[in-house]
Parts: sequence; C-alpha cells; structure tokens
Amino acid sequence: QKEVEQDPGPLSVPEGAIVSLNCTYSNSAFQYFMWYRQYSRKGPELLMYTYSSGNKEDGRFTAQVDKSSKYISLFIRDSQPSDSATYLCAMSGDTPLVFGKGTRLSVIA
Amino acid sequence: GAVVSQHPSRVICKSGTSVKIECRSLDFQATTMFWYRQFPKQSLMLMATSNEGSKATYEQGVEKDKFLINHASLTLSTLTVTSAHPEDSSFYICSAQGSGRETQYFGPGTRLLVL
Repeated sequence: QKEVEQDPGPLSVPEGAIVSLNCTYSNSAFQYFMWYRQYSRKGPELLMYTYSSGNKEDGRFTAQVDKSSKYISLFIRDSQPSDSATYLCAMSGDTPLVFGKGTRLSVIA
Repeated sequence: GAVVSQHPSRVICKSGTSVKIECRSLDFQATTMFWYRQFPKQSLMLMATSNEGSKATYEQGVEKDKFLINHASLTLSTLTVTSAHPEDSSFYICSAQGSGRETQYFGPGTRLLVL
C-alpha cells in the first residue's frame, strides 16, 4: 500500500459546482496536511495547510482532516474555470513531505 | 507569502554539457531546500534534501555525482546536472522550508531539454 493515495482523475465539473478532492494515507505519524495547486508547467502553489484533525476554511476552499480515518479532503465551492489545475495533497510528520499523485480538475464554463 | 524563485525557467542544452539551476528564497531564510523532478502528467519525485552548509541527502536511485547540489547560504541552493543526456530532460522544481515551518514553498520550476 502506498503511503498516500489520491485518485488522479481527470475530474470534470461544470462551472459553479462544488468539487470534492480526497486523499487517504497509511502513516499514522503524519500530522501536517497540505493541499497544493499546480497549473500546467508551473511549480505547485500552497493552497491550504492544516495541522492535525479538523477543518480550515479560506474563501471558496475548505480543507478537512480526519486522522481517525486517515482521510483528508479539499472542497472547492462555486468552482471557476480558473480552478482548472492539478491538485496535490501532501503530508508529513517528522519526514519530508509525501505527495499524492495529484488530481487533474477541469471546470467547464 | 513566502516567495521562491528559480533560474533559468527554461534551458535547452546539448548532450554532454552541464546545466546549473538556481533556487532562491526571496523573503525568508531557507534552512532546508528540496529538489524535485516531475515528468509529464506525473507527480513530484523528490531527488534530494539539502540543509544549509551540509551535504545533500539523496533519495534512492538518484546519482549524487550526476546531480550536484550546493546549499551554500540560507537563501540559495543550486542543482547542477552534469554531463546531461536526453533522458535527463524533465521539469525540475525546488522548494524551500524555513526553520520552524512545516510547509514547503515551491519555485516556478525549470524545464530542461537535452538534445
């Protein structure tokens, strides 16, 4: 079993839809959870950072961490075509970040 | 937010030549820098971790004599691809982490094409 599992998609949704992106993990030592957004041919951009379990909201983005289930989610409300990108989950404990493979999202106008 | 720059953004070179890529943290001191490689439609692959003033730690399967990493200051790390070959063509991305920070901030990446 890989340390971090993420469905690569592609995921295609209409503009305005609520998008749900998820990752599961196996290492119970992970405490720091991040979501990065990567546009084509660009470096990843940090979107959300969460420590331990709980929810965090920033504008249209909400990150959720459920450590008991080893499951993290990123929700995007009122999705826009500009949200079309690859979204990578990442997590760490006392080790370098471990990334998911990324989910390709397309928001269709 | 933290800003990390990379230079050059794109480089084309002949097989057998060496290429140096710079990574700079512009508004914070990066105690640790990471170098990644990314192939098309693939996730990031960590190549090496470097701490300022120390030798880099390379991931399994990464040739340290081919990918030379120098982290001479708290704001600059360099990756030199020596004797580049076409199979080294890829997207190279650095990231930086400050002391006490758990997050990494990424540079915009360098696209290397070896002919």
